[in-house]
Amino acid sequence: EIVMTQSPATLSVSPGDRATLSCRASQSISNNLAWYQHKPGQAPSLLIFAASTRATGIPARFSGSGSGTEFTLTISSLQSEDFAIYYCQHYHNWPPMYSFGQGTKLEIK
Amino acid sequence: EVQLVESGGVVVQPGGSLRLSCAASGFTFDYYTMYWVRQAPGKGLEWVSLISWDMSNRYYADSVKGRFVISRDNSKNALYLQMNSLTTEDTALYFCAKGRTRGYGYGPMAYWGQGTLVTVSS
Repeated sequence: EIVMTQSPATLSVSPGDRATLSCRASQSISNNLAWYQHKPGQAPSLLIFAASTRATGIPARFSGSGSGTEFTLTISSLQSEDFAIYYCQHYHNWPPMYSFGQGTKLEIK
Repeated sequence: EVQLVESGGVVVQPGGSLRLSCAASGFTFDYYTMYWVRQAPGKGLEWVSLISWDMSNRYYADSVKGRFVISRDNSKNALYLQMNSLTTEDTALYFCAKGRTRGYGYGPMAYWGQGTLVTVSS
């Protein structure tokens, strides 16, 4: 089983600043990584897939990078609506397997 | 607009059974793999199960294998999760989600519902 580890658990950032979230896989997963945003009480949203491709309708201030075992989600200039919990996810096509990180809570500083 | 609306979550006793439903709209339902994902109170997300567009492939997380059964009715644009032998560990918010690509690809979940709460308690 591949274990996904996110850091930090909580990140405090001021609006307008840059946020950098990390995700590490316990073994190489190539670029089979997605990032999701989740606000409590709402449906989670897909932000990034294939490590660096923005999903439909996602603003350019969200960017993903990395491959192998180390991945990063960067939000270039935080807006008020960006404060949420972010999850990374490994997905494997065959056989299908999915592992989520434990999440990073992005809060207003 | 893609919409996924889960229902069926209730309080159930340990050992009991429950069926969750997910009503889908805004896309061609029978083209896509569908998923169930859950979130226990205060915890992160956990993939539960998936079913391919044509129902030929169904997969389960080890934690629910042998107890949960995923199904779909493409004529009704509906996804289901039959949950049996429930334990307190199954207490969670259950989300329905849609695959990103048509056909057999098993990748990220492009759209999610808001979830339905299952509480297993005596």
